[in-house]
Amino acid sequence: DAGVIQSPRHEVTEMGQEVTLRCKPISGHNSLFWYRQTMMRGLELLIYFNNNVPIDDSGMPEDRFSAKMPNASFSTLKIQPSEPRDSAVYFCASSLRSGGAGYEQYFGPGTRLTVT
Amino acid sequence: AQSVTQLGSHVSVSEGALVLLRCNYSSSVPPYLFWYVQYPNQGLQLLLKYTSAATLVKGINGFEAEFKKSETSFHLTKPSAHMSDAAEYFCAVSASGQNFVFGPGTRLSVLP
Repeated sequence: DAGVIQSPRHEVTEMGQEVTLRCKPISGHNSLFWYRQTMMRGLELLIYFNNNVPIDDSGMPEDRFSAKMPNASFSTLKIQPSEPRDSAVYFCASSLRSGGAGYEQYFGPGTRLTVT
Repeated sequence: AQSVTQLGSHVSVSEGALVLLRCNYSSSVPPYLFWYVQYPNQGLQLLLKYTSAATLVKGINGFEAEFKKSETSFHLTKPSAHMSDAAEYFCAVSASGQNFVFGPGTRLSVLP
């Protein structure tokens, strides 16, 4: 399996621009998570989906952030307008929720976002 | 509510020495516990997980962790450190098995 795929790997943009981060989960997985990692705040869960439906978006920092999952194989995280404080590494992770317990999450390589 | 603390943001050991990375958790229900490793410029990779079966869990790369309910701990150990173990290690707790709370991470350095 190719694992979780994220694009782009690096993004540099100017303040005020729209940024779209993309994620393709592992085939067959039915849960998808977006995280943000910074030195100051560590790893933060932004939002997660089960079967393409957003379950918990309480970690989304503000209305400038939005996430969609139009189908089981694709998700986007959009920031509009972007600000320098959004600079971070954004990770996508997926898991298979199938009953039982302990749904380990598989992480993508991340997108390093720099907003100048 | 769940939370995770990792004692020591940076741990240094000599090659061949014991590795001990500490994790304490707080959970209102029996938790699921995980250790992940992150190498520079990469995503997180699962090392091992505890899901209420055996309290001593063996993972990849020679790592293991022991769940101690009385101490609310899930410390990660490896008998003999290798240079390739240098990375950041994250402990995570989940009450539902799905929504994770990650600790702040411990950076492990291995000295020659």
